[in-house]
Amino acid sequence: AQSVTQPDIHITVSEGASLELRCNYSYGATPYLFWYVQSPGQGLQLLLKYFSGDTLVQGIKGFEAEFKRSQSSFNLRKPSVHWSDAAEYFCAVGDSGGYNKLIFGAGTRLAVHP
Amino acid sequence: DTGVSQDPRHKITKRGQNVTFRCDPISEHNRLYWYRQTLGQGPEFLTYFQNEAQLEKSRLLSDRFSAERPKGSFSTLEIQRTEQGDSAMYLCASSSQAPNEKLFFGSGTQLSVL
Repeated sequence: AQSVTQPDIHITVSEGASLELRCNYSYGATPYLFWYVQSPGQGLQLLLKYFSGDTLVQGIKGFEAEFKRSQSSFNLRKPSVHWSDAAEYFCAVGDSGGYNKLIFGAGTRLAVHP
Repeated sequence: DTGVSQDPRHKITKRGQNVTFRCDPISEHNRLYWYRQTLGQGPEFLTYFQNEAQLEKSRLLSDRFSAERPKGSFSTLEIQRTEQGDSAMYLCASSSQAPNEKLFFGSGTQLSVL
């Protein structure tokens, strides 16, 4: 069955520190992978997506993610976290070439200490 | 504001009552999606429209749920005979027709069934 696992429910980092959020997926075909961010009272916003090609993907707000097929992982990274990055982060997998029927992970809530 | 809008933002109802939510997608988007998000979980796909045609429904969408998009613009999601288990955030998203085009999410309707 297709699934997405985000092993960390909560992560706390200090402002300026680096960040890595983990995502593992189970998918039979070539996965299309996404990271979304959800801030309180706001809709989910796409940070970045991977379809094919370069396995290191750059996104908005200084985020990047690396697709590792051998590890079935798509971890999200940021070299220096800002207080405004505090939010919930969701990894998702979708069908290739189709519409956006996405399977989301349970999310990782990020807290940033000053 | 040219984003996806949802109305109402919050709905409190008693068990057994019917509720209806509305979603207005980005005007040029012909694809519209409904997702449901419960506390501590990621969004789960409910249904998908391309223009006015409902092309897929999740098995999560019981017979008490019905969604429409009569003119290919706004959509409504109705829940009949609400149950406490229906309490969740109902998210609407839209996208253009390009394969795996980015989803734009609304802020959601938070339903509480007492």
